[in-house]
Amino acid sequence: RKEVEQDPGPFNVPEGATVAFNCTYSNSASQSFFWYRQDCRKEPKLLMSVYSSGNEDGRFTAQLNRASQYISLLIRDSKLSDSATYLCVVSQNTDKLIFGTGTRLQVFP
Amino acid sequence: GAVVSQHPSRVICKSGTSVKIECRSLDFQATTMFWYRQFPKKSLMLMATSNEGSKATYEQGVEKDKFLINHASLTLSTLTVTSAHPEDSSFYICSAARLDTQYFGPGTRLTVL
Repeated sequence: RKEVEQDPGPFNVPEGATVAFNCTYSNSASQSFFWYRQDCRKEPKLLMSVYSSGNEDGRFTAQLNRASQYISLLIRDSKLSDSATYLCVVSQNTDKLIFGTGTRLQVFP
Repeated sequence: GAVVSQHPSRVICKSGTSVKIECRSLDFQATTMFWYRQFPKKSLMLMATSNEGSKATYEQGVEKDKFLINHASLTLSTLTVTSAHPEDSSFYICSAARLDTQYFGPGTRLTVL
């Protein structure tokens, strides 16, 4: 079983739509959780950290359920520029990041 | 935000040659840098942790004699792929840790013919 599992997608949504991605992780000792965004043939960029209480950054909302070992990302009012691959990332410490394979989002006009 | 650079961005080489990739933290000092590899449609996989002034720590299954890492200063780590073969063709990405965040370089696309 993969340490971090994501639905690879693609998710094809129209501009303005709300879309949600899910992620599960297998190691209950994981301490830190993140969503990264990766554009085609580029490096990953931190989108947001995920906190137990849930957190929001503009149109993006992330939630964590430690009991179910489940992380989610909600994107509201999708923009064309949101098209990318979204990587779920967990860590047991600040050093080793474990990446999911990513969920591809394509926003169309 | 913090800036990490990599050089070269792309390299094409013949099988059997060695390739050196540089990773620099431009506006901060990084005692720890990380080297990842990403094959098409696959996850980023940590290859090794590079520690300034000491030996790198390699992940299981990564050959330390094939992937030589040198972290000579607080702003520079290098990865040398020795005797590269076509199966080493991949996207190599470094990152540098600052506080609780890793900042990624733009990556190096290696193609071995």
